[in-house]
Amino acid sequence: AQTVTQSQPEMSVQEAETVTLSCTYDTSESNYYLFWYKQPPSRQMILVIRQEAYKQQNATENRFSVNFQKAAKSFSLKISDSQLGDTAMYFCAFSSLQGAQKLVFGQGTRLTINP
Amino acid sequence: DAGVIQSPRHEVTEMGQEVTLRCKPISGHDYLFWYRQTMMRGLELLIYFNNNVPIDDSGMPEDRFSAKMPNASFSTLKIQPSEPRDSAVYFCASSPGQLNTEAFFGQGTRLTVV
Repeated sequence: AQTVTQSQPEMSVQEAETVTLSCTYDTSESNYYLFWYKQPPSRQMILVIRQEAYKQQNATENRFSVNFQKAAKSFSLKISDSQLGDTAMYFCAFSSLQGAQKLVFGQGTRLTINP
Repeated sequence: DAGVIQSPRHEVTEMGQEVTLRCKPISGHDYLFWYRQTMMRGLELLIYFNNNVPIDDSGMPEDRFSAKMPNASFSTLKIQPSEPRDSAVYFCASSPGQLNTEAFFGQGTRLTVV
């Protein structure tokens, strides 16, 4: 069974700083998807970024980028020029390519951006 | 499309009562998932459907929980009888199919059982 671990329960940075959230996972599969979801106080789960394991290039979405280390089974999220609106819970998630796209989530990291 | 729609957004009920949570997935999506979020266990998959058929219900905690998908545009999650430990946020999500693994989430139902 796959597992996802986020070792940082909480993080706090100043606005405009860069912050990196850590995620490690365990799987025996060679092809899969990894995700970062954001959950603001509104409770809505919002997809931030997605990475296909067979792609070596790290995914980027504006201020958000990942550092995907397949051999190390590591998938960190970097937020550049952080903004107050980035304050939220961030969840790392794994999805197998086999069967459905059911997600296995990490425990989450509560990120606070301070003015 | 309006996205995944869940109702109600909040539900408060007394222990022993039946609770029904509802979900309308995004039109055209083949997969529907029910997740539960608690402080202790985080986000966990309860059950998912493919083309209205339940595929994996191994995450359903007890027989008190049941889920149905009578058609492509509607699903329910029922708890009968409800218990205080069922208090959680329940999310419904839908996904287009095999080649696209992005799941779109509803806004969740916060259930409180007193």
